[in-house]
Amino acid sequence: NAGVTQTPKFQVLKTGQSMTLQCAQDMNHNSMYWYRQDPGMGLRLIYYSASEGTTDKGEVPNGYNVSRLNKREFSLRLESAAPSQTSVYFCASSGTQNQPQHFGDGTRLSIL
Amino acid sequence: AQSVTQLDSHVSVSEGTPVLLRCNYSSSYSPSLFWYVQHPNKGLQLLLKYTSAATLVKGINGFEAEFKKSETSFHLTKPSAHMSDAAEYFCVVSDGSGGYNKLIFGAGTRLAVHP
Repeated sequence: NAGVTQTPKFQVLKTGQSMTLQCAQDMNHNSMYWYRQDPGMGLRLIYYSASEGTTDKGEVPNGYNVSRLNKREFSLRLESAAPSQTSVYFCASSGTQNQPQHFGDGTRLSIL
Repeated sequence: AQSVTQLDSHVSVSEGTPVLLRCNYSSSYSPSLFWYVQHPNKGLQLLLKYTSAATLVKGINGFEAEFKKSETSFHLTKPSAHMSDAAEYFCVVSDGSGGYNKLIFGAGTRLAVHP
């Protein structure tokens, strides 16, 4: 019962490099989400996908792009990494409206 | 607009004593409310949820929370703290009005448990 799987777990980038964070869920959930977590700020929504084939901006989308590859997979791309994007990134999924979200273990990303 | 305020950024208790983590919310709708726990270097795990059924909600690991509409509060309690409860706790309100499960997170409360 893997739930939500994120890869990689850790990554260090240089400013200007690009990278894609991967997320996959095996719970047949319709909705998937990407968050970033910064100290003292809780989690902030970057992008979400309410269902396969759709994506929408969340609270802090600038500097990111996403792809809902299929029902299972939702990737987050940094085209040109900046030090302000140093954070812990969490992927989550949920079934229907108002159902709890299930989270992966996160990707710790440092940008130098 | 919906919002969540966790009234304490840090709480410290002794093992075996009660735990109280405070949360107030603001919501224009009948809210769904959650508490999540995050252990170091791990993702968030659901402790419990309130979805307009019973106002006293029981969760995992002996935690419970009471929904008080008049006080717009959803405080998390546990009668007796265990060392393994040391973690960060997030109070969360769900805004399902947009057709998806948008979560609004509090800033978190870090719970320390001392022997």
